[in-house]
Amino acid sequence: EPEVTQTPSHQVTQMGQEVILRCVPISNHLYFYWYRQILGQKVEFLVSFYNNEISEKSEIFDDQFSVERPDGSNFTLKIRSTKLEDSAMYFCASSEPGPQGDTEAFFGQGTRLTVV
Amino acid sequence: LAKTTQPISMDSYEGQEVNITCSHNNIATNDYITWYQQFPSQGPRFIIQGYKTKVTNEVASLFIPADRKSSTLSLPRVSLSDTAVYYCLVGDAGSGGYQKVTFGIGTKLQVIP
Repeated sequence: EPEVTQTPSHQVTQMGQEVILRCVPISNHLYFYWYRQILGQKVEFLVSFYNNEISEKSEIFDDQFSVERPDGSNFTLKIRSTKLEDSAMYFCASSEPGPQGDTEAFFGQGTRLTVV
Repeated sequence: LAKTTQPISMDSYEGQEVNITCSHNNIATNDYITWYQQFPSQGPRFIIQGYKTKVTNEVASLFIPADRKSSTLSLPRVSLSDTAVYYCLVGDAGSGGYQKVTFGIGTKLQVIP
């Protein structure tokens, strides 16, 4: 079964450093997403990406964040100048167009980011 | 996106059928209802999706009344491995298939031996 893969599984970084979280979406999918989940809290939408541009972003996704699809397979989330409160599980997801509104998003296993 | 309301937690014994109901009073005409499951430290996993009436797959059934203002996820004969958080989501993928999935708090199901 095709799956979304994320690397690394766990990233520890010092406050103020930049991190890049990597994702390989399912190959025939066209829509890509990043979500985060702070420990014990709900899954929060960050950004969606389609046709090489951001489709929608939440208020969390400020100038500190950026996304990129550098080649035909990877989808990355860059977090600049990390803060302690950026510590969370980051999930990548992808989906393909459905005939109407019926699509499902496939999620990766996540990258646990710990900012120290 | 329509707001959803579901119980924060539920307990069930192994082997029982579990029904989790979600309210979505302001669901829009184009919205689909989707349920996801999440185990600790894992990404959410799609369970089932429907628009109206009843949908069944190998994992669960989804019951949607005619007014679509609520939906019920039914898990037959749960086992300990079904202990997870279950999310009810309502939204429209749009004509281009784009889907922004927004999660609420979910229902934490604890299956008891």
